[in-house]
Amino acid sequence: AQSVAQPEDQVNVAEGNPLTVKCTYSVSGNPYLFWYVQYPNRGLQFLLKYITGDNLVKGSYGFEAEFNKSQTSFHLKKPSALVSDSALYFCAVRDGMTAGNKLTFGGGTRVLVKP
Amino acid sequence: GAGVSQSPSNKVTEKGKDVELRCDPISGHTALYWYRQRLGQGLEFLIYFQGNSAPDKSGLPSDRFSAERTGESVSTLTIQRTQQEDSAVYLCASSLFAVFSYNEQFFGPGTRLTVL
Repeated sequence: AQSVAQPEDQVNVAEGNPLTVKCTYSVSGNPYLFWYVQYPNRGLQFLLKYITGDNLVKGSYGFEAEFNKSQTSFHLKKPSALVSDSALYFCAVRDGMTAGNKLTFGGGTRVLVKP
Repeated sequence: GAGVSQSPSNKVTEKGKDVELRCDPISGHTALYWYRQRLGQGLEFLIYFQGNSAPDKSGLPSDRFSAERTGESVSTLTIQRTQQEDSAVYLCASSLFAVFSYNEQFFGPGTRLTVL
C-alpha cells in the first residue's frame, strides 16, 4: 500500500519570504515522488519529481524539493514566494517496485502568498 | 503540442441520468488515467489504461462507473444512474509508457459534474 500525508491544509506566507509545503509518504518499495500545482479552475501542472539520485530536486517556477528517506518526507520549497504562487499544491507517490503507474495523492495544501 | 483535453468542461444533470465524459490524451501517450476530485479534497484514482493491457479498475467506486478506451486514443468515462455524491471534478491524465516507469502524468482541465 502507498499513502501520502500533507499535514497542513493551508500555508500563509508573505511575498518574498521562504515557502515550505510539507509532505510525508509511505510505500513498501522505493518511492517515486511528485509535486503538482493546481491553479483555480485549471488542471494540475507538474512541478518536479524525485526518482533517484540527488536528494535535492529542482523544478519549474523556482521550486525545489528535498527527499529525506529517513524521515520519509518530500517537502516542497521556494526561497522567495510570489503572489502568483498562490494555488493548491499536491504531493503524490507511487511505489517504484510495483508495476503500473497509479499515483496516490495527498489531500492538498492551499498556499496563500500575501503582498 | 496539444495537451490533454476533456469535454464537456461543465455538465449539469439530474439524479438518475447517465453521463458520459470524454478525454483526449496527448498524442503518443500510451497510458491514460481518470481521477475524481471532490470539492476541497485531493485526487481519488478511478481507473488506468496502459496500451492494450487490461485496465486497472481498482479505484472505481461502484458498478455504476465504467470507462473505455479505444486503442491509445480517446477514453470515455460513463456514470450510470448518477447520484448527488457523484458531483465532483473528473480529471483525466496521460503519460508515456508507464510500466515500472516514472513518467509524470499530464492532466486535462477536468469536467465539473453537478448532479441535482
